[in-house]
Amino acid sequence: QKEVEQNSGPLSVPEGAIASLNCTYSDRGSQSFFWYRQYSGKSPELIMFIYSNGDKEDGRFTAQLNKASQYVSLLIRDSQPSDSATYLCALEGDSSYKLIFGSGTRLLVRP
Amino acid sequence: EAGVAQSPRYKIIEKRQSVAFWCNPISGHATLYWYQQILGQGPKLLIQFQNNGVVDDSQLPKDRFSAERLKGVDSTLKIQPAKLEDSAVYLCASSLGRTGSYEQDFGPGTRLTVT
Repeated sequence: QKEVEQNSGPLSVPEGAIASLNCTYSDRGSQSFFWYRQYSGKSPELIMFIYSNGDKEDGRFTAQLNKASQYVSLLIRDSQPSDSATYLCALEGDSSYKLIFGSGTRLLVRP
Repeated sequence: EAGVAQSPRYKIIEKRQSVAFWCNPISGHATLYWYQQILGQGPKLLIQFQNNGVVDDSQLPKDRFSAERLKGVDSTLKIQPAKLEDSAVYLCASSLGRTGSYEQDFGPGTRLTVT
């Protein structure tokens, strides 16, 4: 079973700061990685996916992938209180393409 | 476009009772997933359907859980008999295809409490 590790947090940052969320994984063969946001009591929603080493930017969000070190991160620039949520890292499993999720990191953005 | 529909939204049962959850995916989505999310954990895939065939059910406790997807559209997930450790949110998701290139759209979930 592939494992996905995340710090449970909470990670507390002031409004306007950069929030950095990290995720490590155990299977070196994993190819596709995803970041989901989950508000309390709600279902997960996809923020970004990344396949290639390096950075991928989408608005205030940047995903970073380093396959050699087996980590993927999510940077949130100009953090807003509305960004307060749990952020789930996931990777795509083998031939079934199922998603394997980490336990999530809770982010708190202080006004 | 209507999202993934699930019912009921909440269910409270006693241990050893049976329960069933229903999911209606987004129209045209061939792939349907059932996840279990225990409080404080990430979702765990229970079963994945491609049309009406099972792609992956490796983490489905088959002695008590069953699922079907008739006609490749709606799906039901059943637990019989329930245990205390089955208390969780059961999420249904659907996507156009099987690979990660296709975004999985999640339904609102069913929160199950087993007492």
